[in-house]
Amino acid sequence: QKEVEQDPGPLSVPEGAIVSLNCTYSNSAFQYFMWYRQYSRKGPELLMYTYSSGNKEDGRFTAQVDKSSKYISLFIRDSQPSDSATYLCAMSEGTGGFKTIFGAGTRLFVKA
Amino acid sequence: GAVVSQHPSWVICKSGTSVKIECRSLDFQATTMFWYRQFPKQSLMLMATSNEGSKATYEQGVEKDKFLINHASLTLSTLTVTSAHPEDSSFYICSAPLAGGPSEQFFGPGTRLTVL
Repeated sequence: QKEVEQDPGPLSVPEGAIVSLNCTYSNSAFQYFMWYRQYSRKGPELLMYTYSSGNKEDGRFTAQVDKSSKYISLFIRDSQPSDSATYLCAMSEGTGGFKTIFGAGTRLFVKA
Repeated sequence: GAVVSQHPSWVICKSGTSVKIECRSLDFQATTMFWYRQFPKQSLMLMATSNEGSKATYEQGVEKDKFLINHASLTLSTLTVTSAHPEDSSFYICSAPLAGGPSEQFFGPGTRLTVL
């Protein structure tokens, strides 16, 4: 079993739809949870960062962490074609030099 | 946010040659940097953790003699692919966390290596 499981998709939605992306994990020591967006042939860019359980909202993006279920989500409201990218969940036990474990990434296509 | 650069962004080399990839933190000091490789449509695979002033820590299955890592300063880490072969062709990405900060990584733009 992988430490982090993420459905690779692809996920195709119409413009304006609400997108739900999810990851599950097995390591209960994970404390930091991140979502990265990666465009083709580019390095990932940090989208959202959450410590421990709870919700965090930033514009059209909402990140949720449920540590009791070992389940994290990223919601994108009013999706745009420019949101088309691969979204990677990531998590870590600690700060600084701790390894970050990535999910496989979900490819999202938002159709105009 | 913090900026990490990589050079070159794209390199083609002949089989058997060595290629050096540089990773620089432009506006912060990075005592630790991470090197990943990514195959098409796959996720990031951690290769090694680069520590300033000490030896790198390699992940299981990564040949340390083939992928030489040097972290000589707080803003520069280099990855040298020695005696490259076509199976080494991949997208190599470095990242660095902010020292003492939260856990998020700041990634470089990546280097695409093609070995003929």
